[in-house]
Amino acid sequence: AQSVTQPDIHITVSEGASLELRCNYSYGATPYLFWYVQSPGQGLQLLLKYFSGDTLVQGIKGFEAEFKRSQSSFNLRKPSVHWSDAAEYFCAVKEYGNKLVFGAGTILRVKS
Amino acid sequence: KAGVTQTPRYLIKTRGQQVTLSCSPISGHRSVSWYQQTPGQGLQFLFEYFSETQRNKGNFPGRFSGRQFSNSRSEMNVSTLELGDSALYLCASSHGTGGAGVAYEQYFGPGTRLTVT
Repeated sequence: AQSVTQPDIHITVSEGASLELRCNYSYGATPYLFWYVQSPGQGLQLLLKYFSGDTLVQGIKGFEAEFKRSQSSFNLRKPSVHWSDAAEYFCAVKEYGNKLVFGAGTILRVKS
Repeated sequence: KAGVTQTPRYLIKTRGQQVTLSCSPISGHRSVSWYQQTPGQGLQFLFEYFSETQRNKGNFPGRFSGRQFSNSRSEMNVSTLELGDSALYLCASSHGTGGAGVAYEQYFGPGTRLTVT
């Protein structure tokens, strides 16, 4: 079975600083990877996805992620964080059908 | 296009009761998946329906069931509720169902917050 590890439970960054959220996956073949964001009491919003091709993918809200097969990683980055980015971020890998296996999530706090 | 809608948004039930949650996918989407989100277990896959057929099922007891209608709307039912069933239940819709070498973007609804007392 596939698994996803998000090593950081909480991360605090200053507004305007850069951000990197880590994600490692366990999957034998080429994975299909996703990043979602969840604000308190809300559903999940798709930030970006990697299906194939260019290993650096761009998403919404200025986010990007880089797929590194050699490190089994799919880290999410943003060059300058805004206070509105405070939320919980989930990395996921597609398993059979449309089943997504999620990491435990990383809570991002932004300090002004 | 309207997003994924889930009703009701909040629900309080008593142990032993049953509950039905509803999910309306994005227009044109034929796949609906359900997830349970709890602080202790995180996001866990319940099941996926595509063209009225269950395509995939997670590791949940038989008290959890679902179905999909011809208009792609889906319902999930939990019978004999337990305290541990308190959770946020999320549904996600997708244009198709992923197979080997195929994947689709999935869009989530706002969820139904179920509290069992």
